This record gives sequence, structure tokens and C-alpha cells, in this order.
Amino acid sequence: NAGVTQTPKFRILKIGQSMTLQCAQDMNHNYMYWYRQDPGMGLKLIYYSVGAGITDKGEVPNGYNVSRSTTEDFPLRLELAAPSQTSVYFCASSLFYDEQFFGPGTRLTVL
Amino acid sequence: KQEVTQIPAALSVPEGENLVLNCSFTDSAIYNLQWFRQDPGKGLTSLLLIQSSQREQTSGRLNASLDKSSGRSTLYIAASQPGDSATYLCAVRITGGGNKLTFGTGTQLKVEL
Repeated sequence: NAGVTQTPKFRILKIGQSMTLQCAQDMNHNYMYWYRQDPGMGLKLIYYSVGAGITDKGEVPNGYNVSRSTTEDFPLRLELAAPSQTSVYFCASSLFYDEQFFGPGTRLTVL
Repeated sequence: KQEVTQIPAALSVPEGENLVLNCSFTDSAIYNLQWFRQDPGKGLTSLLLIQSSQREQTSGRLNASLDKSSGRSTLYIAASQPGDSATYLCAVRITGGGNKLTFGTGTQLKVEL
């Protein structure tokens, strides 16, 4: 049981490039989430999903897109990367309105 | 809008001391509250989840309390150890807000030998 896994661990992008951050969970959780964490700030919710085929915006969705075609996977897409998207990105999952379990994070730098 | 505050931002204590970390929230209509631990460069590890109907939860040397009316939660760590050094985050889930968490900015704890 690996829990929540994220790839890659680190990535450097140039301004204007795009990439997909991968997230997978093997706990058969319904809910999945993407957060970003900036220095000195709390985690901010980017997007979340309550099940396959259902996604919704969080607090800071601009510049990002998501899809959820399976229960296990919840990729986050960055289009036209900007320096403001330099951050640490965390994926999380939960069964319902209960404990959220987090992945190890992806550290992204946009130069 | 729910706001979550954690004071102090940093705390240093000698090994063996009992300590309390504070979490305040502005909207008392919460569904539950979750405490996390984050080690440098790592993800978040869930420590305790308190439902709105509960007053406290315990796990080993950790005890979390919840007072909705005053908008406060505390995390009590007994007999602190150097391995407890980490950043501790609280997060609140509001009633009717889906399963979205609002996080505090954390308290960075250092337990010294």
C-alpha cells in the first residue's frame, strides 16, 4: 500500500513551458485534491475532485487544469508556466469528509 | 471567510518539556479540525482529526483539544523529544464547505538536547 504518490519530485521549467504533475493513490479514496505551498503561507487548494469525472475549482485555480478519468489518478496540468507558479505542490486524498492523506510533494521552479 | 492562525510561528524548547501549540479559527461552524506534522522538504503527515462534536483526541504523547465556541484548538505534546522537531499545521473543514481544508501557516518546533 503506497498511499499517495507524486511524480516528479523536482522540476525546473522555463517561462511559457507546460507540464503535468502526476498523482496517484491506491486507497480507493473518492476525494482527491491539489494544493500549493508557498514559503510563509498556508497551503492553498487549487482543484479538487469528488470522484472520477467530477472536478471543481479551489481557491487558486488560475493557470492550472485537472482531469479525473479514474479513481486512482488525478493529474495537474500547468499551461504557459509563469514564475508565480514556483511552489511546492501537494496532492492529497480522502475517503469522504475525513482525514486527508498527503503525497510527498513536487518542488517546481519556473525561471 | 474562514481564517486560521497559528501562534507562535516558531518555538524552541528543551527536551523533556511538555508544550502546547495553538490554533485559532474565525468561523466556529466547523465540521472537523485536523493536525498535521511536516518535516523539512517532506509532505504532511496526519496526526489527529477532531470532529466538531468531540472535545479532544489522543494519540500516544499527543493530545488535541477543540473549543468551537472560542474558535480554538490546542495540540499538547508530552515529554518532547528531538524527533518531534518539525512544523505543525492545523487545518479546518467548515460545515457546508465540501471537504475543503483551510490551513494555518504552522508553528515550527525545535526540541533541543
